[in-house]
Amino acid sequence: EAGVTQFPSHSVIEKGQTVTLRCDPISGHDNLYWYRRVMGKEIKFLLHFVKESKQDESGMPNNRFLAERTGGTYSTLKVQPAELEDSGVYFCASSQVEQGTQYFGPGTRLTVL
Amino acid sequence: AQKVTQAQTEISVVEKEDVTLDCVYETRDTTYYLFWYKQPPSGELVFLIRRNSFDEQNEISGRYSWNFQKSTSSFNFTITASQVVDSAVYFCALRWDSNYQLIWGAGTKLIIKP
Repeated sequence: EAGVTQFPSHSVIEKGQTVTLRCDPISGHDNLYWYRRVMGKEIKFLLHFVKESKQDESGMPNNRFLAERTGGTYSTLKVQPAELEDSGVYFCASSQVEQGTQYFGPGTRLTVL
Repeated sequence: AQKVTQAQTEISVVEKEDVTLDCVYETRDTTYYLFWYKQPPSGELVFLIRRNSFDEQNEISGRYSWNFQKSTSSFNFTITASQVVDSAVYFCALRWDSNYQLIWGAGTKLIIKP
């Protein structure tokens, strides 16, 4: 069974540009989560989808971040416009049920110059 | 407040030594879940274990063991006879019953020298 996949693995962009990160959850997992780890800080929750609905987006830092999960399959996280402080590693996780264990992808390392 | 503390930033031991990674948590909830994840150099977060607050039994899986003590709010992780492949960053995390987001510790970088 394929695990959680994320694309790209690395992205380097200029401040002010737009970047879109993609996450493909484990097949059959209705729950999808985004987390990020900025330099020197703990991993922080961003948001949680149940199928295509946003269940909890309390961790989204500001309105420059937009997450979607059309059709309840893969998800995208768009940062527009990117700022220097957005640099970090963005992790995606999925779980079969809300109470279930979250399985993580390899992360996308975002560098904003 | 919900909080996870991993006070050990980095630990370095020689192969075959035993090593314990500490995790202390804070929560006001009576129902909660504790996790350990491993992040090898390749970067992905690998799930190791999940315990719920009503199960204080210690767990052993091969060379790995976990000691959950509610009295001290700790969930420590011990690797017995460490191997070079155990080198990684290890994260402890907490989730409470009414919320599905994980609260993370800062991680402990474990270096196993040959």
